[in-house]
Amino acid sequence: EVQLVESGGGLVQPGRSLRLSCTAFGFMFGDYAMNWVRQAPGKGLEWVGFIRSKAHGGTTEYAASVKGRFSISRDDSKNIAYLQMNSLKTEDTAVYYCTRIGLIVAAGYYFDYWGQGTLVTVSS
Amino acid sequence: DSQMTQSPSSVSASVGDRVTITCRASQGVSSWLAWYQQKLGKAPKLLIYAASSLQSGVPSRFSGSGSGTDFTLTISSLQPEDFATYYCQQANSFPLTFGQGTKVEIK
Repeated sequence: EVQLVESGGGLVQPGRSLRLSCTAFGFMFGDYAMNWVRQAPGKGLEWVGFIRSKAHGGTTEYAASVKGRFSISRDDSKNIAYLQMNSLKTEDTAVYYCTRIGLIVAAGYYFDYWGQGTLVTVSS
Repeated sequence: DSQMTQSPSSVSASVGDRVTITCRASQGVSSWLAWYQQKLGKAPKLLIYAASSLQSGVPSRFSGSGSGTDFTLTISSLQPEDFATYYCQQANSFPLTFGQGTKVEIK
């Protein structure tokens, strides 16, 4: 069974850093691109960033709102994707979801599995 | 960037009703569009990908259609477990973008 489990959320002061982890179970992690989506309290979904599989270069893409502050990496030996968040702002407060990108190339970048989410609160 | 606009923002419906939600892209996204269902306090769940392909395990009362800039999600006969918020997402190019959501409420 495919499972994505996020960890690392919590309360952090503005300007500080936090690293989220997404541990994957039940599939060949290294074969898949991985992705982060966030949802501010009471708001809609916002795409954060994406990392390709190593076979496709392992390169990353980011939303403009986080580019230069957030970075995504992966450790295929541990089945973990990371979201490093630096220079955090109050507006980064959200539930952060790890998602898997589906493998059907003709369908584009869709999210076929989601983790349960981890809450990040940025406040002084 | 391709902006996604859903309508309506909310809809009140009864069990058994047919419900249609529309999603419009500001730029063409071919058929690279997905639909998700989110229940309160839960993670979103994939319903439809590639505009009209039903994700495994999703009931056949859900269907999607469209291409280019205009898409629809239809629930043919609303069930009690379908009351939730629905989001479209363009899967064509970065930045990936979502619609603002449509809340389906009990009438």
